[in-house]
Amino acid sequence: QKEVEQNSGPLSVPEGAIASLNCTYSDRGSQSFFWYRQYSGKSPELIMFIYSNGDKEDGRFTAQLNKASQYVSLLIRDSQPSDSATYLCAVRVGDMRFGAGTRLTVKP
Amino acid sequence: NAGVTQTPKFQVLKTGQSMTLQCAQDMNHNSMYWYRQDPGMGLRLIYYSASEGTTDKGEVPNGYNVSRLNKREFSLRLESAAPSQTSVYFCASRGVPGETQYFGPGTRLLVL
Repeated sequence: QKEVEQNSGPLSVPEGAIASLNCTYSDRGSQSFFWYRQYSGKSPELIMFIYSNGDKEDGRFTAQLNKASQYVSLLIRDSQPSDSATYLCAVRVGDMRFGAGTRLTVKP
Repeated sequence: NAGVTQTPKFQVLKTGQSMTLQCAQDMNHNSMYWYRQDPGMGLRLIYYSASEGTTDKGEVPNGYNVSRLNKREFSLRLESAAPSQTSVYFCASRGVPGETQYFGPGTRLLVL
């Protein structure tokens, strides 16, 4: 079992819709959780981080964490074509461990 | 601030050749990291340096060595390149524990 698992996609949503990206992790000792966005050929850039159970909102982005279910998600409201990218989930337990990423396409 | 810089951007090597990938950060961060990214595998940690003068193995250290030259610079060396080391290499740095990592632009390496 991989330490951090994501559906590779591609996930396709129409412009203006809500995109939902999911991530599960195996280590219950995981302390902090991050979502990165990576455009093709570019380096990852941080979108959000979350430490506590519940929701955390930042503009159009909402991160949700459920430690009991070992599940973290990212919701993107009012999706735009510029949101088309690969989204990486990362979990810190000592080192940072990354998922393989979910490719999101937002169609105009 | 340039953030995290990496050189070179692209490199083609023949099997058995050696090379050093350079990384520098100007954010006064203590921790620095080297990752490789392969299709379908995500980012995998090769080596990291929690502070100047220390280095530790990550998930996939075989075939690599590192040097933390000073607080700013962290280099990754391939002594005898193999085709399996064809990948995109990212350097990253982090300030205080708990903060996020900031990534460099990456080095695309092809080993023939």
